[in-house]
Amino acid sequence: DQQVKQNSPSLSVQEGRISILNCDYTNSMFDYFLWYKKYPAEGPTFLISISSIKDKNEDGRFTVFLNKSAKHLSLHIVPSQPGDSAVYFCAASAGGGADGLTFGKGTHLIIQP
Amino acid sequence: DTEVTQTPKHLVMGMTNKKSLKCEQHMGHRAMYWYKQKAKKPPELMFVYSYEKLSINESVPSRFSPECPNSSLLNLHLHALQPEDSALYLCASSRLTEGGLTDTQYFGPGTRLTVL
Repeated sequence: DQQVKQNSPSLSVQEGRISILNCDYTNSMFDYFLWYKKYPAEGPTFLISISSIKDKNEDGRFTVFLNKSAKHLSLHIVPSQPGDSAVYFCAASAGGGADGLTFGKGTHLIIQP
Repeated sequence: DTEVTQTPKHLVMGMTNKKSLKCEQHMGHRAMYWYKQKAKKPPELMFVYSYEKLSINESVPSRFSPECPNSSLLNLHLHALQPEDSALYLCASSRLTEGGLTDTQYFGPGTRLTVL
């Protein structure tokens, strides 16, 4: 049973445009959500997070939106840059996170010049 | 500084070998984690340590044995592994509040393990 779902295995976006990566979850106990960026054979790099008490969090070019009623979150990257090409994982935790993170399968973002 | 270090970077071992993976952080984090990631799959949680005590074992086979000798170090001892255990092993750490809640997990670069 997949509790965190990223339904787009890949996404291609032109440089300078907006990249929107989507994530859905099924576990109502999740209360903290994170986005990680990952290159092959490297560890995930933390990008941005959001608590369930908020619906938006912004950090530079990255904004995460949370819609609790729809159990949906999205990551917006504006403007997209070539260095943004990587696999992006959505992750969630429940009960303060002491149970570890549950990851989605990832979306491979490709920024086209 | 959000650095988590892992050694070795690569490890090749036979099915009868005993080896250890090491993880270190100096951020004062009191929660540490082991994850396993197979190719083209998301990381999967193996173990969680809170205040140097094992709090979660996600039904991991006993050929994987974690150890947390102090608040900065986390080891994963490997013995009699199978070829299907070949994967990227990731260590992570996070803060623990007084109420036991955790914060963002920061990951190390991983150890690429190949079992022959």
